[in-house]
Amino acid sequence: GAGVSQSPSNKVTEKGKDVELRCDPISGHTALYWYRQSLGQGLEFLIYFQGNSAPDKSGLPSDRFSAERTGGSVSTLTIQRTQQEDSAVYLCASSPSGPLDTFGSGTRLTVV
Amino acid sequence: GQQLNQSPQSMFIQEGEDVSMNCTSSSIFNTWLWYKQDPGEGPVLLIALYKAGELTSNGRLTAQFGITRKDSFLNISASIPSDVGIYFCAGANNNDMRFGAGTRLTVKP
Repeated sequence: GAGVSQSPSNKVTEKGKDVELRCDPISGHTALYWYRQSLGQGLEFLIYFQGNSAPDKSGLPSDRFSAERTGGSVSTLTIQRTQQEDSAVYLCASSPSGPLDTFGSGTRLTVV
Repeated sequence: GQQLNQSPQSMFIQEGEDVSMNCTSSSIFNTWLWYKQDPGEGPVLLIALYKAGELTSNGRLTAQFGITRKDSFLNISASIPSDVGIYFCAGANNNDMRFGAGTRLTVKP
C-alpha cells in the first residue's frame, strides 16, 4: 500500500478482554514504532523494531502489553486483560531510516 | 524519561496572523522534528532539523534547532484556515524519539 495501514480503526472491548492491534508498514521500511496517544495528550513511546535487532520495549507500560513483528513486516500489538486506562489511540509509524515521516491513522481503543 | 515541554498548549488566532510555538527539554537531542496532526489522522512530518543552530523553512513554516540542542521553535507566517490542527515537536537521539504534548491551533477566518 501507499502508506502505513492500521486495523481495526476503532475497537470497543470489555474490561478484562485481550485485544490485538495490527500495523502494516510501508514495504521496505525497516524501522517500526508503536505510540499511544491519550485524549489531548502527546505521543507516548511504546516499542520500536529495527530490522532483525531485538526490539526496544522500554516504553511498554506493563507486562500486559506485548508486540511482535513477523518477517520484518507486519506488527501486532497485544494488550491482555484490558483496563479502562488502556483506552487511547494507538499509532504505528514506519521509516526506512532517519526521522519518522509516515504514521498510520491509528486504532482508537475504548475499554468499557 | 526525557521530558519535552511544548508551549503554548493552545492558540486562537485570526487568519493572516503569524504564529510561534516552541519546545524545550532538559536533555540534549541530536534531531528536532515538527509534526502536524489533523483529527482522526496520524501526525505528518513538517520539518526535520539535524544541526544545532539550523534554520529551515518549508513554505510558510520556519523552524530552528536551538544552539544548546535543548530547544526548538516553529513559526507559521500568514496563517490560513487549513493550518488548524495540533502541532507536535519531537526530539530524537538515534531511534529514541520523544514528543511534546502538542499545541492546538485554531484559526478564525
